[in-house]
Amino acid sequence: AQSVTQLGSHVSVSEGALVLLRCNYSSSVPPYLFWYVQYPNQGLQLLLKYTSAATLVKGINGFEAEFKKSETSFHLTKPSAHMSDAAEYFCAVSDRGSGSARQLTFGSGTQLTVLP
Amino acid sequence: GAGVSQSPSNKVTEKGKDVELRCDPISGHTALYWYRQSLGQGLEFLIYFQGNSAPDKSGLPSDRFSAERTGGSVSTLTIQRTQQEDSAVYLCASSLTGTRLDTQYFGPGTRLTVL
Repeated sequence: AQSVTQLGSHVSVSEGALVLLRCNYSSSVPPYLFWYVQYPNQGLQLLLKYTSAATLVKGINGFEAEFKKSETSFHLTKPSAHMSDAAEYFCAVSDRGSGSARQLTFGSGTQLTVLP
Repeated sequence: GAGVSQSPSNKVTEKGKDVELRCDPISGHTALYWYRQSLGQGLEFLIYFQGNSAPDKSGLPSDRFSAERTGGSVSTLTIQRTQQEDSAVYLCASSLTGTRLDTQYFGPGTRLTVL
């Protein structure tokens, strides 16, 4: 079964600093990969997704992620953090196999704090 | 357009009672998912509906959990004889086609507290 690991349950950055949130997947066949953001008391909102069209994926709010097959990674970055980026971020995967289920498998989440 | 809506937003119940949680997906979306978000277990898949096909119930944690989707639209998740470990936020999501690369749009969730 697919699994996804997010290193660092809590990340703190200063406003204006680089944001780097880490995500690694487990399968030998690269899955579809997603990053979602969750603000307090809200549902999840898609930031970006990788479906194999391009390895560098640009998303909303200035976020981007790069798929690296050799490292089985899909880390999320933003060049300059803003206070409004404070939220919880989830990496998720969806299997590609024809017999595989359709649901997303989520990482444990990373809480991002932005310091003034 | 309207997003995924869920009701109630909060539900407090006593252990042993039954509860029903409702999800209204985005109009025209053929696929509907239920997930559970809890402190100990993170985000877990519960059940998936696609059109008129039989649902994928592989994530339901026990036979106390069931769900239905009427008319290919609204879905209800029912938990019978609630237990304290059922306390969690129940999230519903829908997607247009239900394919594995399709974006899932999430509702705000129902926070269930079992006393």
